Amino acid sequence: DAKTTQPTSMDCAEGRAANLPCNHSTISGNEYVYWYRQIHSQGPQYIIHGLKNNETNEMASLIITEDRKSSTLILPHATLRDTAVYYCIVRVPYNTDKLIFGTGTRLQVFP
Amino acid sequence: EPEVTQTPSHQVTQMGQEVILRCVPISNHLYFYWYRQILGQKVEFLVSFYNNEISEKSEIFDDQFSVERPDGSNFTLKIRSTKLEDSAMYFCASSEAGLRDEAFFGQGTRLTVV
Repeated sequence: DAKTTQPTSMDCAEGRAANLPCNHSTISGNEYVYWYRQIHSQGPQYIIHGLKNNETNEMASLIITEDRKSSTLILPHATLRDTAVYYCIVRVPYNTDKLIFGTGTRLQVFP
Repeated sequence: EPEVTQTPSHQVTQMGQEVILRCVPISNHLYFYWYRQILGQKVEFLVSFYNNEISEKSEIFDDQFSVERPDGSNFTLKIRSTKLEDSAMYFCASSEAGLRDEAFFGQGTRLTVV
């Protein structure tokens, strides 16, 4: 699986958009980009995933650059409950069952 | 909304004792996983289970560990002889179609080995 690089921490004001970047410059053509988050010490929570097209669901949007070497997770209106560690993971969904978690980005949403 | 449930939420055990951590995956899911997170460290994959057998395991998952699906609803992780370094949060997860689909995680069992 390709490695990812994320900032260690970010801050965001409540109600503003949170844009979390992820660099995956060695991603291969069949690897998907997944985002999970972990609120405090709870179990990780799936957010979104994509291959090359931008994706949106009720939680977030995922923007993947045309060369696929980086992506951005967007939480359009961050709330205090979005304070969490966000993990960007790249993997081939048919090759392996495991998720390899890095250290992620600690997002702090402040009032 | 369906959820993965884990019991107990916290378990304290003496070094050398056997522990069984229990999980009830989401009912129509076919793939099951265990992960662990030592305090302050990354979430680490332990094992995946499909069709009543282990499909993948990590180096952490040695002979001290075993998994079982004893009936149609439970999925268990057994640690045969616990060590101090087994102290961690253990997360169970399940998914419907392997990791082509999202994995749902339980709230975890905090295992403390004393």
